[in-house]
Amino acid sequence: SQKIEQNSEALNIQEGKTATLTCNYTNYSPAYLQWYRQDPGRGPVFLLLIRENEKEKRKERLKVTFDTTLKQSLFHITASQPADSATYLCALGSSNTGKLIFGQGTTLQVKP
Amino acid sequence: SAVISQKPSRDICQRGTSLTIQCQVDSQVTMMFWYRQQPGQSLTLIATANQGSEATYESGFVIDKFPISRPNLTFSTLTVSNMSPEDSSIYLCSVTGSGFNTEAFFGQGTRLTVV
Repeated sequence: SQKIEQNSEALNIQEGKTATLTCNYTNYSPAYLQWYRQDPGRGPVFLLLIRENEKEKRKERLKVTFDTTLKQSLFHITASQPADSATYLCALGSSNTGKLIFGQGTTLQVKP
Repeated sequence: SAVISQKPSRDICQRGTSLTIQCQVDSQVTMMFWYRQQPGQSLTLIATANQGSEATYESGFVIDKFPISRPNLTFSTLTVSNMSPEDSSIYLCSVTGSGFNTEAFFGQGTRLTVV
């Protein structure tokens, strides 16, 4: 069955450092992969989308890579800030259904 | 983008009762999705709701337990029926932008506690 794995343990880093979050998947060939941010008590908020034929995408301090051979995506936040503290979810999408399959999320804590 | 209003934001319900969650979108959308997020867990898709047709349920979810209505292109409801404490969860509705491989927008969620 399809499986998505993200770092289950919380990631604690110092302000100003780069946070790197990992998303691995098996038994799936997604057309695209997305990253979302979720704060407590709120719904997920979209951050970035990368398609299967793309290797890297950037948006301001965010960078995502997508390796369909390794079946892995890396999500980087450079110059991290305490306001970046949240849970980050990766999601795999199918081009013909619109449905998303979510990982369990990684909680990031950026300390000042 | 889309703005989604979900009601109620939270509720505490007695076991055996039912709760209907409403989801209103500020624009017309073809597909709406209902997710469940159990404590400490990720989002699990319950069903896809298309206007004018019956909802499509994912494995492990049935219409009798989670009936869905989709009367028009901007509104949907999810009912959690005959609730038990195991139904305590956050329920979220979601829509996607035009085309399939675009971002999803979520409501703020409904936090349900069944006692």
